Amino acid sequence: DAKTTQPPSMDCAEGRAANLPCNHSTISGNEYVYWYRQIHSQGPQYIIHGLKNNETNEMASLIITEDRKSSTLILPHATLRDTAVYYCIVRVRNSWGKLQFGAGTQVVVTP
Amino acid sequence: GAGVSQSPRYKVAKRGQDVALRCDPISGHVSLFWYQQALGQGPEFLTYFQNEAQLDKSGLPSDRFFAERPEGSVSTLKIQRTQQEDSAVYLCASSPNHLTSPNTGELFFGEGSRLTVL
Repeated sequence: DAKTTQPPSMDCAEGRAANLPCNHSTISGNEYVYWYRQIHSQGPQYIIHGLKNNETNEMASLIITEDRKSSTLILPHATLRDTAVYYCIVRVRNSWGKLQFGAGTQVVVTP
Repeated sequence: GAGVSQSPRYKVAKRGQDVALRCDPISGHVSLFWYQQALGQGPEFLTYFQNEAQLDKSGLPSDRFFAERPEGSVSTLKIQRTQQEDSAVYLCASSPNHLTSPNTGELFFGEGSRLTVL
């Protein structure tokens, strides 16, 4: 699975949009981009995934560049409960393939 | 239960002791994963089961680590002769059968078992 690069940390004001970047320049054509987050003392939680089209669900939006070499996770209205480590992962969907986590981005939402 | 359940949540062991960590996956989930997460780092893959078959154990750090899932449901991760470097959170995750049912590729994680070796 391709490696990803994320900034180690970022701050966001409560109520504002949080835009989390991820670079995955070596992504293959059959690899999807997945986002998970891990709130302190909990296990990772799935957020969203996509292949090449932008995706939106009740938690977030995922914007993937046309060349698929980078993506941005958008939390539209950050709340204090969104404070967590966010992981960007690329893998082949519906393979058994293990998720390979990097260090992620520590997001701190401030009042 | 509704989610992946792990026990114990916290375990303190003296160096050299054996420990066993239990994982109850979501009912009906075929795939089961174990991860190790050291303080301040992302989870690292340890091993994977499809039903009772252990298909990948490439992430197990040494032969002191052993995992089993004898009936294709509950899994146990055993660590023999624990060392201080084994101190970490051990996460279990499960997933439906991706080969026969619609699947986002999502893994469902438990809250983990925190092991501290003194």
